[in-house]
Amino acid sequence: DGGITQSPKYLFRKEGQNVTLSCEQNLNHDAMYWYRQDPGQGLRLIYYSQIVNDFQKGDIAEGYSVSREKKESFPLTVTSAQKNPTAFYLCASSIMVDEQFFGPGTRLTVL
Amino acid sequence: AQSVTQLDSHVSVSEGTPVLLRCNYSSSYSPSLFWYVQHPNKGLQLLLKYTSAATLVKGINGFEAEFKKSETSFHLTKPSAHMSDAAEYFCVVSPWGGQNFVFGPGTRLSVLP
Repeated sequence: DGGITQSPKYLFRKEGQNVTLSCEQNLNHDAMYWYRQDPGQGLRLIYYSQIVNDFQKGDIAEGYSVSREKKESFPLTVTSAQKNPTAFYLCASSIMVDEQFFGPGTRLTVL
Repeated sequence: AQSVTQLDSHVSVSEGTPVLLRCNYSSSYSPSLFWYVQHPNKGLQLLLKYTSAATLVKGINGFEAEFKKSETSFHLTKPSAHMSDAAEYFCVVSPWGGQNFVFGPGTRLSVLP
Protein backbone atom coordinates (compact mmCIF):
# COMPACT_ATOMS: atom_id res chain seq x y z
CA ASP A 1 0.00 0.00 0.00
CA GLY A 2 1.49 3.33 -1.06
CA GLY A 3 0.81 6.45 0.92
CA ILE A 4 1.74 8.92 3.59
CA THR A 5 1.61 8.15 7.29
CA GLN A 6 1.68 10.62 10.15
CA SER A 7 2.13 9.82 13.79
CA PRO A 8 0.89 10.25 16.36
CA LYS A 9 -2.75 11.02 15.50
CA TYR A 10 -3.13 13.06 18.70
CA LEU A 11 -0.32 14.75 20.65
CA PHE A 12 -0.38 16.71 23.86
CA ARG A 13 2.40 19.07 24.86
CA LYS A 14 3.14 20.97 27.99
CA GLU A 15 4.22 24.56 27.63
CA GLY A 16 7.96 24.86 27.16
CA GLN A 17 8.37 21.39 25.61
CA ASN A 18 9.61 20.55 22.16
CA VAL A 19 7.67 17.84 20.32
CA THR A 20 8.36 16.05 17.04
CA LEU A 21 5.70 15.01 14.54
CA SER A 22 6.51 12.15 12.21
CA CYS A 23 5.78 12.01 8.47
CA GLU A 24 6.75 9.07 6.27
CA GLN A 25 5.94 8.37 2.61
CA ASN A 26 6.57 5.36 0.39
CA LEU A 27 5.47 7.02 -2.86
CA ASN A 28 9.04 7.77 -3.94
CA HIS A 29 8.16 11.48 -4.08
CA ASP A 30 10.96 14.03 -4.08
CA ALA A 31 9.06 16.90 -2.48
CA MET A 32 7.52 16.97 0.98
CA TYR A 33 5.60 19.67 2.87
CA TRP A 34 4.29 20.59 6.29
CA TYR A 35 1.12 22.64 6.72
CA ARG A 36 -0.70 24.02 9.70
CA GLN A 37 -4.50 24.23 9.76
CA ASP A 38 -6.44 26.28 12.30
CA PRO A 39 -10.23 26.03 12.78
CA GLY A 40 -12.14 27.59 9.91
CA GLN A 41 -9.00 28.46 7.99
CA GLY A 42 -7.15 27.16 5.00
CA LEU A 43 -3.73 25.55 5.12
CA ARG A 44 -0.59 27.56 5.75
CA LEU A 45 2.81 26.30 4.66
CA ILE A 46 5.40 25.83 7.42
CA TYR A 47 8.35 24.20 5.60
CA TYR A 48 8.94 22.29 2.40
CA SER A 49 11.71 20.16 0.98
CA GLN A 50 12.35 19.44 -2.68
CA ILE A 51 15.27 17.08 -2.18
CA VAL A 52 17.12 15.21 0.55
CA ASN A 53 19.26 17.39 2.83
CA ASP A 54 17.58 20.58 1.62
CA PHE A 55 14.51 22.44 2.87
CA GLN A 56 12.97 25.90 2.64
CA LYS A 57 10.92 28.04 4.98
CA GLY A 58 7.29 28.55 4.18
CA ASP A 59 5.00 31.35 5.29
CA ILE A 60 4.95 30.55 9.03
CA ALA A 61 8.29 28.83 9.83
CA GLU A 62 9.01 30.68 13.10
CA GLY A 63 9.02 28.29 16.06
CA TYR A 64 9.33 25.18 13.88
CA SER A 65 12.25 23.12 12.57
CA VAL A 66 12.57 20.23 10.12
CA SER A 67 15.12 17.78 8.76
CA ARG A 68 15.26 15.73 5.56
CA GLU A 69 17.92 13.07 6.02
CA LYS A 70 16.02 10.44 4.03
CA LYS A 71 13.77 10.75 1.00
CA GLU A 72 10.95 8.94 2.83
CA SER A 73 10.94 10.99 6.01
CA PHE A 74 10.31 14.66 6.88
CA PRO A 75 9.84 15.12 10.64
CA LEU A 76 8.61 18.44 12.06
CA THR A 77 9.69 19.71 15.48
CA VAL A 78 7.46 22.22 17.22
CA THR A 79 9.74 24.13 19.54
CA SER A 80 8.98 26.07 22.70
CA ALA A 81 9.47 29.23 20.64
CA GLN A 82 6.15 28.57 18.87
CA LYS A 83 3.76 30.63 20.97
CA ASN A 84 0.48 29.17 19.76
CA PRO A 85 1.13 25.60 18.59
CA THR A 86 -2.33 24.12 19.12
CA ALA A 87 -3.49 23.18 15.59
CA PHE A 88 -3.98 20.37 13.09
CA TYR A 89 -0.75 19.55 11.24
CA LEU A 90 -0.78 18.03 7.77
CA CYS A 91 2.12 16.53 5.87
CA ALA A 92 2.08 16.14 2.09
CA SER A 93 4.33 14.90 -0.69
CA SER A 94 4.45 15.32 -4.45
CA ILE A 95 6.28 14.66 -7.65
CA MET A 96 7.80 18.02 -8.50
CA VAL A 97 5.06 19.47 -10.71
CA ASP A 98 2.00 17.45 -9.84
CA GLU A 99 -0.67 17.31 -7.17
CA GLN A 100 0.17 16.89 -3.51
CA PHE A 101 -0.83 13.79 -1.56
CA PHE A 102 -1.76 14.34 2.07
CA GLY A 103 -1.35 12.32 5.22
CA PRO A 104 -4.15 11.89 7.78
CA GLY A 105 -2.86 14.66 10.06
CA THR A 106 -1.72 15.10 13.67
CA ARG A 107 -3.74 17.15 16.14
CA LEU A 108 -1.45 18.92 18.60
CA THR A 109 -2.84 20.36 21.81
CA VAL A 110 -0.90 22.41 24.34
CA LEU A 111 -1.94 21.78 27.92
CA ALA B 1 1.69 36.48 -6.97
CA GLN B 2 -0.99 33.85 -6.73
CA SER B 3 -4.17 34.04 -4.67
CA VAL B 4 -7.43 32.14 -4.35
CA THR B 5 -10.86 33.38 -3.34
CA GLN B 6 -13.61 31.01 -2.37
CA LEU B 7 -16.70 33.13 -2.50
CA ASP B 8 -18.79 31.22 0.04
CA SER B 9 -17.55 30.11 3.44
CA HIS B 10 -20.60 27.86 3.87
CA VAL B 11 -22.99 26.31 1.36
CA SER B 12 -26.05 24.32 2.35
CA VAL B 13 -28.00 22.14 -0.11
CA SER B 14 -30.66 19.47 0.11
CA GLU B 15 -29.81 15.90 -0.76
CA GLY B 16 -30.39 15.26 -4.47
CA THR B 17 -30.04 18.93 -5.50
CA PRO B 18 -27.11 20.44 -7.44
CA VAL B 19 -23.93 21.67 -5.76
CA LEU B 20 -22.00 24.77 -6.82
CA LEU B 21 -18.84 25.81 -4.95
CA ARG B 22 -17.23 28.92 -6.37
CA CYS B 23 -13.53 29.65 -6.76
CA ASN B 24 -11.72 32.58 -8.36
CA TYR B 25 -7.97 32.84 -8.64
CA SER B 26 -5.25 35.23 -9.65
CA SER B 27 -1.97 34.06 -11.07
CA SER B 28 0.91 35.57 -12.99
CA TYR B 29 1.41 32.30 -14.83
CA SER B 30 -0.72 29.67 -16.54
CA PRO B 31 -1.72 27.93 -13.36
CA SER B 32 -2.52 24.42 -12.33
CA LEU B 33 -5.75 24.33 -10.33
CA PHE B 34 -7.02 21.72 -7.91
CA TRP B 35 -10.01 20.95 -5.73
CA TYR B 36 -9.48 18.97 -2.54
CA VAL B 37 -12.03 17.65 -0.05
CA GLN B 38 -11.47 17.26 3.69
CA HIS B 39 -13.75 15.30 6.00
CA PRO B 40 -13.58 16.17 9.73
CA ASN B 41 -10.23 15.40 11.35
CA LYS B 42 -8.91 13.81 8.16
CA GLY B 43 -6.31 14.67 5.56
CA LEU B 44 -7.12 16.20 2.19
CA GLN B 45 -8.17 14.09 -0.78
CA LEU B 46 -7.80 15.23 -4.37
CA LEU B 47 -11.13 15.59 -6.19
CA LEU B 48 -9.84 16.83 -9.54
CA LYS B 49 -7.13 18.92 -11.20
CA TYR B 50 -6.68 21.20 -14.21
CA THR B 51 -3.26 21.31 -15.85
CA SER B 52 -3.88 23.05 -19.22
CA ALA B 53 -5.56 20.17 -21.00
CA ALA B 54 -9.37 20.05 -21.32
CA THR B 55 -11.10 22.99 -19.64
CA LEU B 56 -13.91 20.78 -18.29
CA VAL B 57 -12.37 18.46 -15.75
CA LYS B 58 -14.13 15.42 -14.34
CA GLY B 59 -13.18 14.15 -10.92
CA ILE B 60 -14.13 11.52 -8.42
CA ASN B 61 -17.55 11.03 -6.84
CA GLY B 62 -19.38 12.78 -9.69
CA PHE B 63 -17.71 16.18 -9.23
CA GLU B 64 -16.51 18.31 -12.12
CA ALA B 65 -15.06 21.78 -12.60
CA GLU B 66 -14.69 24.14 -15.54
CA PHE B 67 -11.64 26.33 -16.05
CA LYS B 68 -12.66 29.74 -17.44
CA LYS B 69 -9.60 31.84 -18.13
CA SER B 70 -11.56 34.96 -19.08
CA GLU B 71 -13.36 34.89 -15.73
CA THR B 72 -10.36 33.50 -13.76
CA SER B 73 -12.73 30.97 -12.25
CA PHE B 74 -12.66 27.27 -11.47
CA HIS B 75 -16.05 26.48 -9.95
CA LEU B 76 -16.82 23.00 -8.63
CA THR B 77 -20.17 21.38 -9.44
CA LYS B 78 -22.07 18.17 -8.87
CA PRO B 79 -25.51 17.43 -10.33
CA SER B 80 -26.94 15.71 -7.26
CA ALA B 81 -25.66 16.04 -3.70
CA HIS B 82 -25.29 13.04 -1.43
CA MET B 83 -25.10 13.06 2.35
CA SER B 84 -21.53 11.78 2.16
CA ASP B 85 -20.52 14.97 0.28
CA ALA B 86 -20.77 17.01 3.49
CA ALA B 87 -17.20 18.19 4.09
CA GLU B 88 -14.80 21.11 3.67
CA TYR B 89 -13.68 21.88 0.12
CA PHE B 90 -10.48 23.71 -0.80
CA CYS B 91 -9.61 25.33 -4.10
CA VAL B 92 -5.85 25.45 -4.75
CA VAL B 93 -3.71 27.27 -7.34
CA SER B 94 -0.15 26.39 -8.26
CA PRO B 95 2.03 28.28 -10.76
CA TRP B 96 2.84 26.31 -13.87
CA GLY B 97 5.99 24.26 -13.37
CA GLY B 98 6.07 24.77 -9.62
CA GLN B 99 4.65 22.89 -6.72
CA ASN B 100 4.06 25.67 -4.22
CA PHE B 101 0.38 25.53 -3.49
CA VAL B 102 -1.79 28.48 -2.50
CA PHE B 103 -4.92 27.35 -0.69
CA GLY B 104 -8.24 29.10 -0.58
CA PRO B 105 -9.88 29.50 2.84
CA GLY B 106 -12.28 26.63 2.20
CA THR B 107 -16.04 26.20 1.75
CA ARG B 108 -17.97 24.06 4.16
CA LEU B 109 -20.69 22.07 2.40
CA SER B 110 -23.69 20.90 4.40
CA VAL B 111 -26.15 18.44 2.88
CA LEU B 112 -29.64 18.38 4.38
CA PRO B 113 -31.84 15.28 4.27
